[in-house]
Amino acid sequence: QVQLQESGPGLVKPSETLSLTCVVSGYPITAGYYWGWIRQPPGKGLEWIGSVYHTGSTDYNPSLKSRVTISVDTSKNQFSLRLSSVTAADTAVYFCARAFNWDDAFDIWGQGTMVTDSS
Amino acid sequence: QSVLTQPPSASGTPGQRVTISCSGGSSNIGSNSVHWYQQLPRTAPKLLIYRNTLRPSGVPDRFSGSKSGTSASLAISGLRSEDEATYYCAAWDDSLRGVIFGGGTKLTVL
Repeated sequence: QVQLQESGPGLVKPSETLSLTCVVSGYPITAGYYWGWIRQPPGKGLEWIGSVYHTGSTDYNPSLKSRVTISVDTSKNQFSLRLSSVTAADTAVYFCARAFNWDDAFDIWGQGTMVTDSS
Repeated sequence: QSVLTQPPSASGTPGQRVTISCSGGSSNIGSNSVHWYQQLPRTAPKLLIYRNTLRPSGVPDRFSGSKSGTSASLAISGLRSEDEATYYCAAWDDSLRGVIFGGGTKLTVL
């Protein structure tokens, strides 16, 4: 059974960098699939942040591209999100998820982790 | 404002059939697959329909998807109280080169 679990600080200071990790269990990242990050501000809809392939190839949301880095660590079977220059607008639940292809549906999701700017 | 447009709310009574629309453009729905997600309160989204019409294992056949041109629809037949949730459509956008989501439709079972 494939499972994804997000982890990272729940509070981030304004202007600092948000860092989250998604540990994948039950499936080797190197076997394929795209691995993505999606966020949801309180009471609002879903926003795709970006996705990474196991080779390290990435796609980012153009509105966040200048501040986002998504990377994969195949040795630990996990992938990570870094979002720089955080503001109150970045307060959200952050989900990691898996997609069969770059344009395909996210079929498995983590439970999500809430990140709040400490202002 | 989302690139994919959904009605903010929908409602129906138990047993009824409800449809939720998702309107886009030529660079997204018009040229790529549409996927639908169900999100119950305080939980992660769950994949409901992928590649326009396909249901993942375990999703009841009460849920069905369709696509025509630059619009898509999710239909729920035999409405049940546990279907009360927010539903999102999503698609790849060739112009933005990224995944876009609709704003979500909150379904109320009266």
